[in-house]
Amino acid sequence: DARVTQTPRHKVTEMGQEVTMRCQPILGHNTVFWYRQTMMQGLELLAYFRNRAPLDDSGMPKDRFSAEMPDATLATLKIQPSEPRDSAVYFCASGLGQGRPQHFGDGTRLSIL
Amino acid sequence: GENVEQHPSTLSVQEGDSAVIKCTYSDSASNYFPWYKQELGKGPQLIIDIRSNVGEKKDQRIAVTLNKTAKHFSLHITETQPEDSAVYFCAASRTGAGSYQLTFGKGTKLSVIP
Repeated sequence: DARVTQTPRHKVTEMGQEVTMRCQPILGHNTVFWYRQTMMQGLELLAYFRNRAPLDDSGMPKDRFSAEMPDATLATLKIQPSEPRDSAVYFCASGLGQGRPQHFGDGTRLSIL
Repeated sequence: GENVEQHPSTLSVQEGDSAVIKCTYSDSASNYFPWYKQELGKGPQLIIDIRSNVGEKKDQRIAVTLNKTAKHFSLHITETQPEDSAVYFCAASRTGAGSYQLTFGKGTKLSVIP
């Protein structure tokens, strides 16, 4: 089965450090989403891309978060500088858009000390 | 924007019994409703979805019903098994041009007691 691949699976770092999370979407999917999951807020949409173009990043703190798709096989989410409140599980999902299923990776568990 | 409410937040059932999880949504233009199952340490996995042109859909022990007038939809799991224990999320979205965003409920933690 085709899967969304996320790296790293776990990341522990000190506050102030830069964090980069990577996602390889399912081949052929043209829509990529970044979510953050916490106990308090549940699943929050941070940003999404269609055909590598950013469509909406209104869910991201713009001063420290950035999302890019350098090519169709790679999406990145960066946090600089990181803060303890950024600790969460970050998921990438891909799909074919317009009310079609989204397929999730297994996430990056991020801990900022 | 869309708002999805999900109930209950936790649910315990005996193995073999049925489980029902309910969601309501606010945007009358929403017409795509997927359900996801999330196991510990994993990402959410799609288990069934329904579109507004049907009222019910079944896949083996899983069924979803949709009431567009009342703006609510439900997940039914029959003959529950221990491996059904997980967190379940409902979601809703539109399907028109430019509609890509899913709005998720807060999740239901289902425990199936052997």
